[in-house]
Amino acid sequence: EVQLLESGGGLVQPGESLRLTCEASGFAFSNFALSWVRQAPGKGLEWVAAHSPSVLSIHYADSVKGRFTVSRDNSKNTLFLQMNSLRAEDTAVYYCAKRSPVEEFFDYWGQGILVTVST
Amino acid sequence: EKVMTQSPATLSASPGERTTLSCRASQSVSSYVAWYQHKPGQGPRLLIYAASSRATGVPARFSGSGSGTEFTLTISSLQSEDFAVYYCQQYNSWPLTFGQGTKVEIK
Repeated sequence: EVQLLESGGGLVQPGESLRLTCEASGFAFSNFALSWVRQAPGKGLEWVAAHSPSVLSIHYADSVKGRFTVSRDNSKNTLFLQMNSLRAEDTAVYYCAKRSPVEEFFDYWGQGILVTVST
Repeated sequence: EKVMTQSPATLSASPGERTTLSCRASQSVSSYVAWYQHKPGQGPRLLIYAASSRATGVPARFSGSGSGTEFTLTISSLQSEDFAVYYCQQYNSWPLTFGQGTKVEIK
């Protein structure tokens, strides 16, 4: 059974940093790209960042480019999102999502983790 | 960036009704559209990919159609467990983008 478990969320002040972790199990982690997708309160889904199985292909949404860094440790089946210079508009539930075997849509998602940026 | 626009924002329907949700792309995305169902406290669930292919385990009452810029998700007979928010997503090009969602609520 595929499982994606996010952790590392919490309350931080504007300008601070936070690192999210997604621990994966139930599939060949090193063979699949993964993404972070977020949902701000009362809003829809927003794709944030994607990391291919290797470092060859990494993509970011313009809204986080230069502030967020996605990385992975294939030896530990773990995906990370380093979030720096956080803003109030980064407040959201952050989901880890597994790319399908065929194209850039997502066949499995985690339950999500809440990040709140506020004074 | 390819903007995905869903309509309506909210749809009120009764169990057993046939329901159609719409998604329009600002530019052609060919058939690179997926649909997801999202319930509170859960991660989204993949329903449809490639505009019309049902994901594994998705009931046959869910169907998708369209290509280019116009797409629809149809639920042939609403069940109680289908009341949720539905999102379309284009994966034709980066950045990946989602529609703003359609909430299907009980009438």
